Amino acid sequence: DQQVKQNSPSLSVQEGRISILNCDYTNSMFDYFLWYKKYPAEGPTFLISISSIKDKNEDGRFTVFLNKSAKHLSLHIVPSQPGDSAVYFCAASPMEYGNKLVFGAGTILRVKS
Amino acid sequence: EAQVTQNPRYLITVTGKKLTVTCSQNMNHEYMSWYRQDPGLGLRQIYYSMNVEVTDKGDVPEGYKVSRKEKRNFPLILESPSPNQTSLYFCASSLYPGRNTEAFFGQGTRLTVV
Repeated sequence: DQQVKQNSPSLSVQEGRISILNCDYTNSMFDYFLWYKKYPAEGPTFLISISSIKDKNEDGRFTVFLNKSAKHLSLHIVPSQPGDSAVYFCAASPMEYGNKLVFGAGTILRVKS
Repeated sequence: EAQVTQNPRYLITVTGKKLTVTCSQNMNHEYMSWYRQDPGLGLRQIYYSMNVEVTDKGDVPEGYKVSRKEKRNFPLILESPSPNQTSLYFCASSLYPGRNTEAFFGQGTRLTVV
């Protein structure tokens, strides 16, 4: 049973528009959430994170929103660029397990120019 | 350059032939872990290590072993590989086993067991 779910396997967006990637989780013990980006033939790289005490965190073109009551988070990329085309993994960390990360299945983002 | 290095990048082996995938980090990180990535399942943790000589099972440890004799190295050992261990493997490290620290990943090892 997957505790972190990314229900959209893929997303296609036009360059310059907004990309919204969604993630749902089931475990109430998760209190820290991260997004990782992965290009082909490379390892995942950290993109942005958010603590459960916040509902929004922004870093340049990337914003993560957290809705704890709905157990839902989303990553917004504005404006989207062709270089953003990658697989995006949502990950959650349970408060009792330090650095343990539970990952979603990933969403393939394609930004068309 | 700060990095996590895995070797080999690609490996094809036969069922039952022991193999080791090496992982080394140069950031003096305390926390290291191994993940496998499979289609539709994302990354699942195999084993992790909070520090030298301290290792513990992750979510899918069956068929794998690890060791942490030095801080920088965390090899993954498959004593008797089977086809269901065909996967993409990632090693990761974090500064300390605390909270809110990003993980740095290696480039991955694609393993095929025939």
